[in-house]
Amino acid sequence: DTGVSQNPRHKITKRGQNVTFRCDPISEHNRLYWYRQTLGQGPEFLTYFQNEAQLEKSRLLSDRFSAERPKGSFSTLEIQRTEQGDSAMYLCASSPLRAGGYNEQFFGPGTRLTVL
Amino acid sequence: KQEVTQIPAALSVPEGENLVLNCSFTDSAIYNLQWFRQDPGKGLTSLLLIQSSQREQTSGRLNASLDKSSGRSTLYIAASQPGDSATYLCALSNDYKLSFGAGTTVTVRA
Repeated sequence: DTGVSQNPRHKITKRGQNVTFRCDPISEHNRLYWYRQTLGQGPEFLTYFQNEAQLEKSRLLSDRFSAERPKGSFSTLEIQRTEQGDSAMYLCASSPLRAGGYNEQFFGPGTRLTVL
Repeated sequence: KQEVTQIPAALSVPEGENLVLNCSFTDSAIYNLQWFRQDPGKGLTSLLLIQSSQREQTSGRLNASLDKSSGRSTLYIAASQPGDSATYLCALSNDYKLSFGAGTTVTVRA
């Protein structure tokens, strides 16, 4: 399977703990994105990378959140000192870098985080 | 800020009926529009992408139109089947960021 993969698929943690999620994009895709989705809502943009450079961060991404993409391959999203409000589905997507508006984003299966 | 609205929030139809899903947006300065399908508890599956310069795209039983002047897109699903039951989301791109609607949850009754 050459799609976007995410691990773990589910994570249950206690408030105050740190968690880290991993995303492996489609191998030839330059861009990698993180989104967060809460129940009944559409995903909300968090941040994106072009190769290894993090080019944009949403104001939703508080200083407890950090994302990396070393060597422009896989990416990790870490949440420090988790809060119950962090409970959500965290989605990763990747896309090629093409001109003309054809940057179709392909999503992974998501990591569902539950903070108790 | 791009605002995306999908109405209705939920839709139930008998098998075989054609589906019409609506998406409206406030900022016409877009790169493209994508329609996605999401099954409960799962990730998003891309269905169609319409570039800003295009008016429609077709894939099998799916057809999506884009009218930037009125800020609207419509997804048509012909001859619906129970397997089409899912939530359908539209998303507008500003080049890197997708802005999503809340989705329309479709139930196709056998």
